[in-house]
Amino acid sequence: DTEVTQTPKHLVMGMTNKKSLKCEQHMGHRAMYWYKQKAKKPPELMFVYSYEKLSINESVPSRFSPECPNSSLLNLHLHALQPEDSALYLCASSQASQQETQYFGPGTRLLVL
Amino acid sequence: AQSVTQPDIHITVSEGASLELRCNYSYGATPYLFWYVQSPGQGLQLLLKYFSGDTLVQGIKGFEAEFKRSQSSFNLRKPSVHWSDAAEYFCAVGARAAGNKLTFGGGTRVLVKP
Repeated sequence: DTEVTQTPKHLVMGMTNKKSLKCEQHMGHRAMYWYKQKAKKPPELMFVYSYEKLSINESVPSRFSPECPNSSLLNLHLHALQPEDSALYLCASSQASQQETQYFGPGTRLLVL
Repeated sequence: AQSVTQPDIHITVSEGASLELRCNYSYGATPYLFWYVQSPGQGLQLLLKYFSGDTLVQGIKGFEAEFKRSQSSFNLRKPSVHWSDAAEYFCAVGARAAGNKLTFGGGTRVLVKP
């Protein structure tokens, strides 16, 4: 089973709202990733967690706050977003060693009004 | 730093015809390479990957790719395209020394004519 699940599928929020995106995998992977994908563009890496510790932050604004409460779960907390943050947010997971395949979830389509 | 170029933004192909998508990479060491497919509004599905060994790699849905080190290429092929193959295709290179970070090409959108 190579399934990564993400909830919600769609999210509409105002610029003053606080919301969270959730990602879950049960493949025993110890690395998890958040990507942002704008329309007609490739995914851009935001954060990487390895063994529940943040290992890469690609200079993402602080209005995005990741959290990895355990090895199966990854959250992305959103606060005071801007309309330009509207995008598809993709979660992925992999084994934590190098040279590993990342498996992607279906994404959360976010619209910021 | 690694980079990936997919020279074709759009490709239109007739159903039943063959398909080849180009991918060129730049990486200072031996790369590991992936092709992913994305249907509209969906996540990325892994088609195939190359880590080492045989340079001709077989994937799902009848796709294959060939790694050519001399040309820094990893082109994707399918002998006979089905209407369901219409999607966006991304080539990606992985960096062993950078926390398994993937760098994606710009993508190629494939349209299939009946």
